[in-house]
Amino acid sequence: GEDVEQSLFLSVREGDSSVINCTYTDSSSTYLYWYKQEPGAGLQLLTYIFSNMDMKQDQRLTVLLNKKDKHLSLRIADTQTGDSAIYFCAPRMTGGGADGLTFGKGTHLIIQP
Amino acid sequence: NAGVTQTPKFRILKIGQSMTLQCTQDMNHNYMYWYRQDPGMGLKLIYYSVGAGITDKGEVPNGYNVSRSTTEDFPLRLELAAPSQTSVYFCASSYVAGATGELFFGEGSRLTVL
Repeated sequence: GEDVEQSLFLSVREGDSSVINCTYTDSSSTYLYWYKQEPGAGLQLLTYIFSNMDMKQDQRLTVLLNKKDKHLSLRIADTQTGDSAIYFCAPRMTGGGADGLTFGKGTHLIIQP
Repeated sequence: NAGVTQTPKFRILKIGQSMTLQCTQDMNHNYMYWYRQDPGMGLKLIYYSVGAGITDKGEVPNGYNVSRSTTEDFPLRLELAAPSQTSVYFCASSYVAGATGELFFGEGSRLTVL
């Protein structure tokens, strides 16, 4: 299977919470990133979590890490139309350093009015 | 701050033509990368560089070449363009690869090969 797996689409109502899930294969991943890509733009770092943490909260964003299950999630509270974008999970794999990150295929977050 | 700048933003090539995608960064980053993004396929690493004069292959290097003569510039050359190279290309840079290793991306170059 893929090294990093994400659902391709997620549709939520404006004001609800969005939860984007990611599973990965490399249990020794040290840093796990979430990038956001708005239409027609490059990727921007949204948040990240160290592997020795279970949770990280930053305003409307909550990242949960389950190392045992190799599962990462991104929760966006009070989802707004400006949150409409593609969200990429990107664990830093073993030995990964200079050779960049391994990206999931991205989850398209669709906001319904 | 300009950050990472890519040119051109759009280009149409005929099969067999060659071209160079330009990438420059003004953040004095050591590490630079070229990715391609295909619909529903995420990003795939083409080539990367850890500093001037040093380049290495990524996951999908065939059909491409790179050079890194300066810290700022990391051009990607396509030789003998093929329809399979139709994609959006992103250049990225980072200060360090270890630590937080945040990648800074350009806005992308959309290439169509007909």
